Amino acid sequence: KAGVTQTPRYLIKTRGQQVTLSCSPISGHRSVSWYQQTPGQGLQFLFEYFSETQRNKGNFPGRFSGRQFSNSRSEMNVSTLELGDSALYLCASSSGGTSGTQETQYFGPGTRLLVL
Amino acid sequence: SQKIEQNSEALNIQEGKTATLTCNYTNYSPAYLQWYRQDPGRGPVFLLLIRENEKEKRKERLKVTFDTTLKQSLFHITASQPADSATYLCALDIEGGSQGNLIFGKGTKLSVKP
Repeated sequence: KAGVTQTPRYLIKTRGQQVTLSCSPISGHRSVSWYQQTPGQGLQFLFEYFSETQRNKGNFPGRFSGRQFSNSRSEMNVSTLELGDSALYLCASSSGGTSGTQETQYFGPGTRLLVL
Repeated sequence: SQKIEQNSEALNIQEGKTATLTCNYTNYSPAYLQWYRQDPGRGPVFLLLIRENEKEKRKERLKVTFDTTLKQSLFHITASQPADSATYLCALDIEGGSQGNLIFGKGTKLSVKP
């Protein structure tokens, strides 16, 4: 099976702009989660989508949003970019079973975003 | 709020020795805990999962223990090799087993010297 893919891999934007990142999960996986990784804060959970619905959400401002399509592909959007949004954005997929099934997450290579 | 700490930012050991990494958490009773490996420029890769009712889990040269009383997990790599050099992350579920809501420690960067 092909792994999780993310596009683009690298992105440079300026403050105030908006950006859309894309994630294609492993075939058959219905859950997609997004994380932000920075040297100072580590990996932080943004949100999770399952069957086109946001199922969980982390503590990030409303500038960060996402969606999931019927084919499980997901996008995340960051509006009004700030310098502090520079980070590695990772998406992870899992089959997304019901609560109580402890499944692992398969991460993509990430999109490195630099905000100038 | 839930807090997860990995005691060492960096750990340097000699090839052949056992590396032991520590993960402590507070304010929560997770259903399970996971360990991931991350290489520079790449996403984390799952290594092991241990459930709250399990004391120990092994996979080849890897061993994980989980002490819910101490709220601590230990991750061991025996007979370490330079190829084991990477950042190791622990993560725990904070939704009682539901998916996609993991909190991660900041990681321990392991360097294995030949």
